[in-house]
Amino acid sequence: ELKVEQNPLFLSMQEGKNYTIYCNYSTTSDRLYWYRQDPGKSLESLFVLLSNGAVKQEGRLMASLDTKARLSTLHITAAVHDLSATYFCAENTNTGNQFYFGTGTSLTVIP
Amino acid sequence: DVKVTQSSRYLVKRTGEKVFLECVQDMDHENMFWYRQDPGLGLRLIYFSYDVKMKEKGDIPEGYSVSREKKERFSLILESASTNQTSMYLCASSSEGRGASPLHFGNGTRLTVT
Repeated sequence: ELKVEQNPLFLSMQEGKNYTIYCNYSTTSDRLYWYRQDPGKSLESLFVLLSNGAVKQEGRLMASLDTKARLSTLHITAAVHDLSATYFCAENTNTGNQFYFGTGTSLTVIP
Repeated sequence: DVKVTQSSRYLVKRTGEKVFLECVQDMDHENMFWYRQDPGLGLRLIYFSYDVKMKEKGDIPEGYSVSREKKERFSLILESASTNQTSMYLCASSSEGRGASPLHFGNGTRLTVT
């Protein structure tokens, strides 16, 4: 059974601190995606990681992919309140069309 | 920018009613998807379609059907709504195959079945 696991599920952190969200997946997929969801809103694409060793950065967020370990990480640097949201990772299966999502990590950044 | 539009933001329906959720995308994407989102369960795939008139079951298709008569439109149908179908429904689209295109989501329809 395909499985995408994120941890932690809930994360409360102070402004200015660093933290990492982990995404483990069970297939041999080399496609991994990160999304952000604000309360009451839909999902917005953050990063698309397409190969082993891929690293993408946008502002205070950096995502990486290790296909051998079947692990992706989303690293938050010097968190600010605006980053408070739920973050999802999703893998795209090797057969092509399906995306499988983790359960999400709810991030709260405290002033 | 890709736009995925879901026809209703909020819907309240009674048990046993037939419910239609409509989704339209404007980027000529081949693939379209319906997910439901529930607290603690993440997003679960109901159905997806990779071409007009084609459909594939996802992980939780029971109680749902879909229709894709035109490339830009993908409808989710609840034949006889039940209270356990109260949820947030998200439509998404992506371009063909395993390219770099992520899913593009609509704003969601929050359905309450009473």
